[in-house]
Amino acid sequence: GAGVSQSPSNKVTEKGKDVELRCDPISGHTALYWYRQSLGQGLEFLIYFQGNSAPDKSGLPSDRFSAERTGGSVSTLTIQRTQQEDSAVYLCASSLDTWGYGYTFGSGTRLTVV
Amino acid sequence: QQQVKQSPQSLIVQKGGISIINCAYENTAFDYFPWYQQFPGKGPALLIAIRPDVSEKKEGRFTISFNKSAKQFSLHIMDSQPGDSATYFCAASITSGTYKYIFGTGTRLKVLA
Repeated sequence: GAGVSQSPSNKVTEKGKDVELRCDPISGHTALYWYRQSLGQGLEFLIYFQGNSAPDKSGLPSDRFSAERTGGSVSTLTIQRTQQEDSAVYLCASSLDTWGYGYTFGSGTRLTVV
Repeated sequence: QQQVKQSPQSLIVQKGGISIINCAYENTAFDYFPWYQQFPGKGPALLIAIRPDVSEKKEGRFTISFNKSAKQFSLHIMDSQPGDSATYFCAASITSGTYKYIFGTGTRLKVLA
């Protein structure tokens, strides 16, 4: 597609429920990233995919967080047993596998845990 | 060592004025420094980026100044316009490896008409 697409744009969930956030990167972009943006904070790195593999998962805050990418395209970020501190905007970005290109971000999924 | 410190947190500038946002880093392995602009409800968008082998890069009204010895870089917005009102993030990365970005905490810019 023309840009990075994320769904849903907004998600309200009850504490303890599982949620899945979806990211459709730009066609042909091999690198995919998930970041989290909490209110008034910068962007916090979560995980990086190159193709379908995730060589850097160092930013995942706990084992409740997981992500996968299939077909070198769509990625899903799953948060199990959500907690109130998980409330944030979850941003996905993709890039060509070349350092000279900056990321292209999606508009994010705003997750609210009540 | 992985932090990027950004200041100020917020900035108010008159239309036509110069907006200046500063960032500082510790890790000398960083070799790519982008700036992102974010409007409410949107994802950040790449504005301009620089590598440490140059001291300045200019694109239109936007200029990055880079001081390698001081480990500092800054964004200058010339002739600031109300449409520039947004949140600006600096970032740093090491381009060998995962290209993971370390972001600053952001500067909320408001340009008064």
